[in-house]
Amino acid sequence: DQQVKQNSPSLSVQEGRISILNCDYTNSMFDYFLWYKKYPAEGPTFLISISSIKDKNEDGRFTVFLNKSAKHLSLHIVPSQPGDSAVYFCAANIPARQLTFGSGTQLTVLP
Amino acid sequence: DTEVTQTPKHLVMGMTNKKSLKCEQHMGHRAMYWYKQKAKKPPELMFVYSYEKLSINESVPSRFSPECPNSSLLNLHLHALQPEDSALYLCASSQDPTGGVTGELFFGEGSRLTVL
Repeated sequence: DQQVKQNSPSLSVQEGRISILNCDYTNSMFDYFLWYKKYPAEGPTFLISISSIKDKNEDGRFTVFLNKSAKHLSLHIVPSQPGDSAVYFCAANIPARQLTFGSGTQLTVLP
Repeated sequence: DTEVTQTPKHLVMGMTNKKSLKCEQHMGHRAMYWYKQKAKKPPELMFVYSYEKLSINESVPSRFSPECPNSSLLNLHLHALQPEDSALYLCASSQDPTGGVTGELFFGEGSRLTVL
C-alpha cells in the first residue's frame, strides 16, 4: 500500500514556464513533508520542506503548497530552468518513524 | 561539513566475490542509513543504525551485512550477491535517530553496484 503517491512519472515543461509536481498521501499521521531532487547516478538532495501546520513554504524559485484536507501537496518551480531537469521525490514523515518516499516524477525542462 | 561521502562510486563484482561499501559523515549525526535504489524507483530502506547500534533491518538478505565501527562510519559488506542486487546503494544520515520532527535525511552520492 503506497502511502505517498506521485501519479505522474514524467513531466515536460518549456524553459521559463512554471513546473508543477504533485504528490498525494493517505496517512493523516504524516506531519512533515519534504521534496528531494535527484540527478542520475547521484544521491537525492534535499530541496524544500513544509510542516503540516503551514499551507505554503517558499524558497527562491521553489514553493511547496500543502492542502491537508485533500491530503495533497505540490511543488512549484518558477521560472523553470534546464538545470532543474531531474527526478523529484516527495517524502513524508511521522515523528520517530522513517521517511516514506513517493515513486518520483522525472521533470524535463526543454530549452 | 555537510557531506556524506561514499566509496567506491562504482563497483563491479562477481557472484562469489566479497566486497564492502563505505560511508562517512562528520556532521555529528547519530543515525546512519543504507538505502537501495533501482532506476526510476524510490529509495528502499535497508538498515538503520542509531547511536552505532542496528535499530532497523528491513528483512534484508544475509548476503548484505552492515557494520558501524563508530559514529562517523558505516560499512556494508557484500558477499555472494545476485545479479538482481545490482543497484545504486545510498548511505544517509540524520541528526535525530528517532527521525525527529522533520525526518530530514542527508544522502551521499551513492555507490553504483553491478553484480555479474
